[in-house]
Amino acid sequence: DVKVTQSSRYLVKRTGEKVFLECVQDMDHENMFWYRQDPGLGLRLIYFSYDVKMKEKGDIPEGYSVSREKKERFSLILESASTNQTSMYLCASSLIIGGNEQFFGPGTRLTVL
Amino acid sequence: QKEVEQNSGPLSVPEGAIASLNCTYSDRGSQSFFWYRQYSGKSPELIMSIYSNGDKEDGRFTAQLNKASQYVSLLIRDSQPSDSATYLCAVNPQGGKLIFGQGTELSVKP
Repeated sequence: DVKVTQSSRYLVKRTGEKVFLECVQDMDHENMFWYRQDPGLGLRLIYFSYDVKMKEKGDIPEGYSVSREKKERFSLILESASTNQTSMYLCASSLIIGGNEQFFGPGTRLTVL
Repeated sequence: QKEVEQNSGPLSVPEGAIASLNCTYSDRGSQSFFWYRQYSGKSPELIMSIYSNGDKEDGRFTAQLNKASQYVSLLIRDSQPSDSATYLCAVNPQGGKLIFGQGTELSVKP
């Protein structure tokens, strides 16, 4: 079974702090994704990566950056957290970009005060 | 125009009934279709994938795909209270990333 893990289930940070969210998958998947999910807005893609050191902007990349130094690990960085970044953050991975299922991690509920 | 549309619900069905969840999509070239189940406060869990026209059955779940009409549906037979969740439809346009619908909330009443 695919396993996607995220570093924290719950996180509380203050405005202006730099925040790192880590995601690790154990199935040698090529692609990894970061989403945020908010009530009424559904799942929104922030960034994705189809290879080590490669990244592509999703639908809402502003205020975020990512890092993929190793195939199994994909990090989401909030350079200067703001209250409007309070959300559920979900990491996913898939074997290939087109046509392949995405498997999600448990999510990180981030609160920015 | 939303690329993947679902009725938000809530859809309420009695225990033991068939729950029918529907999804329409706009990209006619879409190749892959998925249904995820998401319990409150949890992450989405893949329950069905379908790639060709027709029905695909897995236990109590049946996914139906009609590419000509651009819709995909999920039937849950013998619905149980534990099936109460939000069901997300996801579509993979040609060569693209997964596009998710907003989800349909299902409530199964004992």
